[in-house]
Amino acid sequence: GIQVEQSPPDLILQEGANSTLRCNFSDSVNNLQWFHQNPWGQLINLFYIPSGTKQNGRLSATTVATERYSLLYISSSQTTDSGVYFCAVEDQETSGSRLTFGEGTQLTVNP
Amino acid sequence: DAGVTQSPTHLIKTRGQQVTLRCSPISGHKSVSWYQQVLGQGPQFIFQYYEKEERGRGNFPDRFSARQFPNYSSELNVNALLLGDSALYLCASSLGGVVLSGEQFFGPGTRLTVL
Repeated sequence: GIQVEQSPPDLILQEGANSTLRCNFSDSVNNLQWFHQNPWGQLINLFYIPSGTKQNGRLSATTVATERYSLLYISSSQTTDSGVYFCAVEDQETSGSRLTFGEGTQLTVNP
Repeated sequence: DAGVTQSPTHLIKTRGQQVTLRCSPISGHKSVSWYQQVLGQGPQFIFQYYEKEERGRGNFPDRFSARQFPNYSSELNVNALLLGDSALYLCASSLGGVVLSGEQFFGPGTRLTVL
């Protein structure tokens, strides 16, 4: 099956700093989503981005499908940005809507 | 608009027991998927149902089963519980389709503890 690798596994920032999270995947995808998991376990949708670039406030994402990677940018980080960020993909070979998740990036933003 | 809802929020069972988890998708969504997330890992796909038919199954034993009802809500059943089944169980809904399902939206999860 498709492999999803996220880096870095852990990231510690001071409030106000910028960061880039990376997601590499091993095969062609129909769907790529970025999520933020809050301390209570809820997965919050950030971006649905199988290709191209999108922006939402301080967050933006870029997926280069031909090179099999996606980047999540967080600018002017805030303490509320802390949590785990997951990249998840739906590969083209498997029917249905099976998302394969990476292991996540644990982000800590200190005041 | 209501998001994906799941019940119960927490559950404590003992080994060997059976459990049923419930999920209601976003109104208009016809696809429901189930995921298991153990501590420190990303969610793992268990099942997907679309239009009341199983469309995908992950690498889980036959103790895990699911179904989807005419109103598109879904139940996940786990029999003969093991300690290793302790996890957060997440339900996701999407519009669904024959080939592409679209963006998936997750519920708050059911946290299952097996003693």
